[in-house]
Amino acid sequence: KAGVTQTPRYLIKTRGQQVTLSCSPISGHRSVSWYQQTPGQGLQFLFEYFSETQRNKGNFPGRFSGRQFSNSRSEMNVSTLELGDSALYLCASSLAGGPRFINEQFFGPGTRLTVL
Amino acid sequence: KQEVTQIPAALSVPEGENLVLNCSFTDSAIYNLQWFRQDPGKGLTSLLLIQSSQREQTSGRLNASLDKSSGRSTLYIAASQPGDSATYLCAARSNSGYALNFGKGTSLLVTP
Repeated sequence: KAGVTQTPRYLIKTRGQQVTLSCSPISGHRSVSWYQQTPGQGLQFLFEYFSETQRNKGNFPGRFSGRQFSNSRSEMNVSTLELGDSALYLCASSLAGGPRFINEQFFGPGTRLTVL
Repeated sequence: KQEVTQIPAALSVPEGENLVLNCSFTDSAIYNLQWFRQDPGKGLTSLLLIQSSQREQTSGRLNASLDKSSGRSTLYIAASQPGDSATYLCAARSNSGYALNFGKGTSLLVTP
């Protein structure tokens, strides 16, 4: 069974540009979450989608947005990039919805974004 | 807000030693707790998931325990090997949220 895939694996952008990252969850998984990982802050939750609906959002500015498609694939977009957006962006998928389910999360390899 | 702390931040042990990694969390209303491994520049690999109703989980040489009342979880690694060298992350999911709240991790080095 294929794992979580993320594209692209590496990106270099300049300040002010925008970027779109893509995540394909494990087949059958309907929940997709996004996390940002930096050396200083560690792993921080961005948002979570289930059945094309954003259910929860972390404490990030509105420049960070996302969406989920009917096939559960998800994209996240960052507009007006800042130097501080340089990070590893990780996507995770889980089988079912809601916190009342056994939601073991499986992570992809990440997209390394560098903002110059 | 759930705060997760991992101690120590770094650990170096000789091959063959048994070791314990610690994780503490502030909100005892925890739904589950998950331990991950991260190799440099890579994504996270799920090691063990403990539901709030469970006290421990085992997989091979790994054993994770959960004590909600004290807000603690431990990951026990038996007979450590150089291939165990990685960063180990603990993440707690509260009853009220969908997000995993991560600790900063313990960087483990197992020397031959």
